Order: sequence, then structure tokens, then C-alpha cells
Amino acid sequence: GESVGLHLPTLSVQEGDNSIINCAYSNSASDYFIWYKQESGKGPQFIIDIRSNMDKRQGQRVTVLLNKTVKHLSLQIAATQPGDSAVYFCAENLGDSWGKLQFGAGTQVVVTP
Amino acid sequence: SAVISQKPSRDICQRGTSLTIQCQVDSQVTMMFWYRQQPGQSLTLIATANQGSEATYESGFVIDKFPISRPNLTFSTLTVSNMSPEDSSIYLCSVGETSSYEQYFGPGTRLTVT
Repeated sequence: GESVGLHLPTLSVQEGDNSIINCAYSNSASDYFIWYKQESGKGPQFIIDIRSNMDKRQGQRVTVLLNKTVKHLSLQIAATQPGDSAVYFCAENLGDSWGKLQFGAGTQVVVTP
Repeated sequence: SAVISQKPSRDICQRGTSLTIQCQVDSQVTMMFWYRQQPGQSLTLIATANQGSEATYESGFVIDKFPISRPNLTFSTLTVSNMSPEDSSIYLCSVGETSSYEQYFGPGTRLTVT
């Protein structure tokens, strides 16, 4: 269902530090997960994905971890940069039909110098 | 990834009118979707735009309010009908291929209804 509330959780990170963004997903049948980055005034940008048969996947400066036991997903950003400031959304493919993504509430990441 | 454009990028409309939003992709894609993002909130799937057949709507969204067309593999439209201020949102299209699961978004259309 839709997220409720106008105030996103905020993660403040110092430039150069690592960031960890967490997401709890809802459906144990979900088979695919994506992390998106949305900058102000833009559409969501694909960052990294992971299938349910994996527990870790690495990209450039980003790592996604999947814990199916507790239905938890995390995105780790190494050496956070000012350009990483954005809202980050996790999304799950509900498994009953390809492409039907359910999005999490989002986390605002603010990178401070 | 595909390059996706939307028109208009933003609009201010009067209550009771309708607006048609266009989504154009630079390559043929199998799957196209429409999402709504209310101010400060997350994205909600409105419908799947199926080429050559009627769109498949999610719970809470109906064809009379959000008619969708998908005349070919590179283009889709979403109409927001009989608008009210509650329809003020960002409307986004996304595309994907069933072979890869990845889904990419357009820049969005920012709609304000007065």
C-alpha cells in the first residue's frame, strides 16, 4: 500500500564516511529487489538490484545485503560524496507478476562536508 | 538503459479538467508502467500499460479516472480525468524487459490541480 506521512527518515552522513540505509520489506514471496536514488525534481534512478536467491551483491561503491529471514534489505554506500545526497527507496517485486514494484517509504540522505 | 522522456514536465490544471501525460522511450520495450508519487511520499503503482490490450490497474485505481493507452512498444499515455486537488502528484512512467527485471523511470510530470 502507499506510504503514510510526509516526513522521511533522514540519515546525516559526513563526507567520506560509509552510509547504511535500511529497508524492511513486506512480502516473503518477493523475488527481486531494487534500490533507487531520487534527487530533487527527478525520477528515481536505478542503483543496484538483487534477486532473492542471493544475499549480497556489490556494485561501484554500493553493496546491497538481503536477509530473507527477517525480510530486511540494506544499501551500503562507501566513501559517501555530496552527490549522494538524495532520497533512497527500496522496492520489491511482489512475485505474483513481473514488474509490480512496491516501494518503501524512502530515506533522505544528507551528506555534510 | 533506455532513455525515457515525459511530456509535459509540469502543469497546473483547474479542477474538473483532464490532462494527458505522454511517455516516450527511445527503444522498444515490453513492459511500461505508470506510478504516482504524492508530495513527499513514496511511489505507488497505478497500472501496467499493455501493448495492444487494456491496461491492468492496481487496487484503488480505475480506468475511468486514469485511462491509459499503449499504441506501440515505445509510447504510452496516462490521462488524469476530472481532476481534483487530491490528484496533485508527480506521475512517472517506467519501462523494463522481462528478461532482466530491471526497471527504469522517466523524469516525471509534476501536476498541480487548483
